[in-house]
Amino acid sequence: QKEVEQNSGPLSVPEGAIASLNCTYSDRVSQSFFWYRQYSGKSPELIMSIYSNGDKEDGRFTAQLNKASQYVSLLIRDSQPSDSATYLCAVLLQGAQKLVFGQGTRLTINP
Amino acid sequence: EPEVTQTPSHQVTQMGQEVILRCVPISNHLYFYWYRQILGQKVEFLVSFYNNEISEKSEIFDDQFSVERPDGSNFTLKIRSTKLEDSAMYFCASSAGGDEQFFGPGTRLTVL
Repeated sequence: QKEVEQNSGPLSVPEGAIASLNCTYSDRVSQSFFWYRQYSGKSPELIMSIYSNGDKEDGRFTAQLNKASQYVSLLIRDSQPSDSATYLCAVLLQGAQKLVFGQGTRLTINP
Repeated sequence: EPEVTQTPSHQVTQMGQEVILRCVPISNHLYFYWYRQILGQKVEFLVSFYNNEISEKSEIFDDQFSVERPDGSNFTLKIRSTKLEDSAMYFCASSAGGDEQFFGPGTRLTVL
């Protein structure tokens, strides 16, 4: 049973456009949600965390959470070629220590 | 900006040998973790460590694995008798309050 699901992509977006990345999770007691960026051969880099329903904005990034639908998304505005990476959705279950990661969505920004 | 560091960056070992992977977490963090990522696969949780003891571990973290915080700065993962399937990137992470986790650059373990 998959706990965190993402479309593996690849997702291709033209430079300057909005990239939209989606993630669903199966466990209703999930309480904290994170987006990590992982460049090829590198480690996951935390870019956004979100804990309550609604939108959270940080620069060009917006995370959206809908707990009723068990859905979390990441929008990247004004996409740049340097945004090309794999984006990992991760969920922290209530009372647990471990992050559960999705497979990741590979994003390519085309100049 | 403080960051998690890991050594070595790449470790090559023979099957059956013991390896120790080292990590220095961010200095004021209290929660420490090990994850691994087999090439092309998901990042998988191995173990979490808080207050000098294991707080959670996965099914992967069997008797061949152990963790230790030998002093005030280092956090180590030991694999006693490596198998071919242990080949992966091993990431150390740390957290101040148990939520946001910050990852180190990883150690690539190759078991021959």
